Amino acid sequence: AQTVTQSQPEMSVQEAETVTLSCTYDTSENNYYLFWYKQPPSRQMILVIRQEAYKQQNATENRFSVNFQKAAKSFSLKISDSQLGDTAMYFCAFMKHSGGSNYKLTFGKGTLLTVNP
Amino acid sequence: KAGVTQTPRYLIKTRGQQVTLSCSPISGHRSVSWYQQTPGQGLQFLFEYFSETQRNKGNFPGRFSGRQFSNSRSEMNVSTLELGDSALYLCASTPSGSYEQYFGPGTRLTVT
Repeated sequence: AQTVTQSQPEMSVQEAETVTLSCTYDTSENNYYLFWYKQPPSRQMILVIRQEAYKQQNATENRFSVNFQKAAKSFSLKISDSQLGDTAMYFCAFMKHSGGSNYKLTFGKGTLLTVNP
Repeated sequence: KAGVTQTPRYLIKTRGQQVTLSCSPISGHRSVSWYQQTPGQGLQFLFEYFSETQRNKGNFPGRFSGRQFSNSRSEMNVSTLELGDSALYLCASTPSGSYEQYFGPGTRLTVT
């Protein structure tokens, strides 16, 4: 079974600054996907960024980037130029690669990020 | 394209009753997954359906069941409700050939 650990229950950052959210996972699988989801107070879960384990290059989506360390089983999210709208709960999630037959996500407990003006 | 829709958005039920929640995936998506979100347990996988077949099931009691229709719409049912079933129930759909899940707004179930 896979586990996902987010060690920071809460974090805060000033608007326009950079913040990094941590995530570690445990798995015996070699092929898998990792995700960061954002859940603002409206409760709608939104995909922020994804990473395929077989890709060495870290994924980037505008102000969001990850630091994927496969050997260390670490998957941190960096948010640059933080905006008030980034205030949300952030979840790290794992999915085993299964050729399209397994879409089960395993989530961490989440990190509540508050961006202060 | 319209996003994933879930109905109802809010629901209040009494212990012992049963409830049915509905999820309509994004058009063309054939996989639908369900998750339960509670403050104590976090987000937990319930089950996943693809082409009307349950492919995966999480570690939940048999009171939790689901089905998927030929148009990919899915329902989940919880029988003999318990107070601990109070949660936000999220549905997500996935397009064929992808692994990204797109979530609906959720159904907030309160059991009294």
